[in-house]
Amino acid sequence: DTEVTQTPKHLVMGMTNKKSLKCEQHMGHRAMYWYKQKAKKPPELMFVYSYEKLSINESVPSRFSPECPNSSLLNLHLHALQPEDSALYLCASSQGAGRGRNTEAFFGQGTRLTVV
Amino acid sequence: KNEVEQSPQNLTAQEGEFITINCSYSVGISALHWLQQHPGGGIVSLFMLSSGKKKHGRLIATINIQEKHSSLHITASHPRDSAVYICAVKDLNAGGTSYGKLTFGQGTILTVHP
Repeated sequence: DTEVTQTPKHLVMGMTNKKSLKCEQHMGHRAMYWYKQKAKKPPELMFVYSYEKLSINESVPSRFSPECPNSSLLNLHLHALQPEDSALYLCASSQGAGRGRNTEAFFGQGTRLTVV
Repeated sequence: KNEVEQSPQNLTAQEGEFITINCSYSVGISALHWLQQHPGGGIVSLFMLSSGKKKHGRLIATINIQEKHSSLHITASHPRDSAVYICAVKDLNAGGTSYGKLTFGQGTILTVHP
């Protein structure tokens, strides 16, 4: 199984809603990532979890709240988002995340989020 | 910070043509990734390279570390190859849990017509 599964595939939410994006992998990877991708732009890193601990937060606003309940799951909790937060949110995982670990990243299909 | 440039930005080809996409970067790296993204879709990792050449089916990726340059070749192109191809690098001196700190190129939009 070399899949990273993201749910839902599409999400429309209002600015006062609370919703969550989910990401799951069963490859035994210990590093998981959230990326945000706007149309026709490359992905931008948001968060990195290594061994279920948050290791990188790229100055993401607090209306995005990541959670890693176990080594296979990664959530992104959303609250009070703005229309400019509409984007494709991609999850990825890799075997490790430390220095010198040149391991391949596996990406999910993404969640297309629209904030209205 | 590494600067990653891809060329061309847009590429149109006829089915069966040989295709080359180029990627240049400015600072030494420990790994380079070629990624494929279909419209509205997620990203598929095609290759991870730190030296030499890799081949998978009709896809070939090469890297020249001294020249800080990589190429992705597609032989006998097919309309299903139409996608955005993205080059991403991990800096050599990136420390800590920095794997996630890939620097991405802007992508090359490939359209293959039947």
